[in-house]
Amino acid sequence: AQKITQTQPGMFVQEKEAVTLDCTYDTSDPSYGLFWYKQPSSGEMIFLIYQGSYDQQNATEGRYSLNFQKARKSANLVISASQLGDSAMYFCAMREDFLTGANSKLTFGKGITLSVRP
Amino acid sequence: SAVISQKPSRDICQRGTSLTIQCQVDSQVTMMFWYRQQPGQSLTLIATANQGSEATYESGFVIDKFPISRPNLTFSTLTVSNMSPEDSSIYLCSVDHGGRPNEQFFGPGTRLTVL
Repeated sequence: AQKITQTQPGMFVQEKEAVTLDCTYDTSDPSYGLFWYKQPSSGEMIFLIYQGSYDQQNATEGRYSLNFQKARKSANLVISASQLGDSAMYFCAMREDFLTGANSKLTFGKGITLSVRP
Repeated sequence: SAVISQKPSRDICQRGTSLTIQCQVDSQVTMMFWYRQQPGQSLTLIATANQGSEATYESGFVIDKFPISRPNLTFSTLTVSNMSPEDSSIYLCSVDHGGRPNEQFFGPGTRLTVL
């Protein structure tokens, strides 16, 4: 079974509007971390936001927020006030066995393409 | 955040040759990681490189094909050996930011095309 699932084929959003990018995950480990990365056409991977499985509150970083629903095993990324520069591929990733730090491997989803329309 | 550089940024190589990719970090880090991203695909971990020990390879990746060096805490190399067109990918190195495992940063990547 896939550990990270991103099923939206491609998303379009109007500039200045908000958009939600979906991510579901599968793990039996009680300690894990969830990450979102942005990959523009240049190919670099830009870290956006992180959510730990024991965090009580949803993570926020500027225009990015993470809608973490632990029981549903979902970690959706919300981008508010979209900008043209937000057009990119977005990847959700997970790291398991987080507390011990023994496993630093990131497992990535297939990614979602976001296009922001002017 | 850690600043990571990679060399070369891109290359076009002939089938059967080898390419060594360098990854330099501006601070000392324990773990360095090498990922591969095939065209239109997600990232897949090739191996984890710790200083002073052999790299740990993921299933499907072997040392003979992807030898890795980690001579110190700020530098690593990945060699793609005996290349074929299927090796055409972006290769990215990444590091944990010291004691903050909630941040893993990536280098700018190396775009490899094998003819």
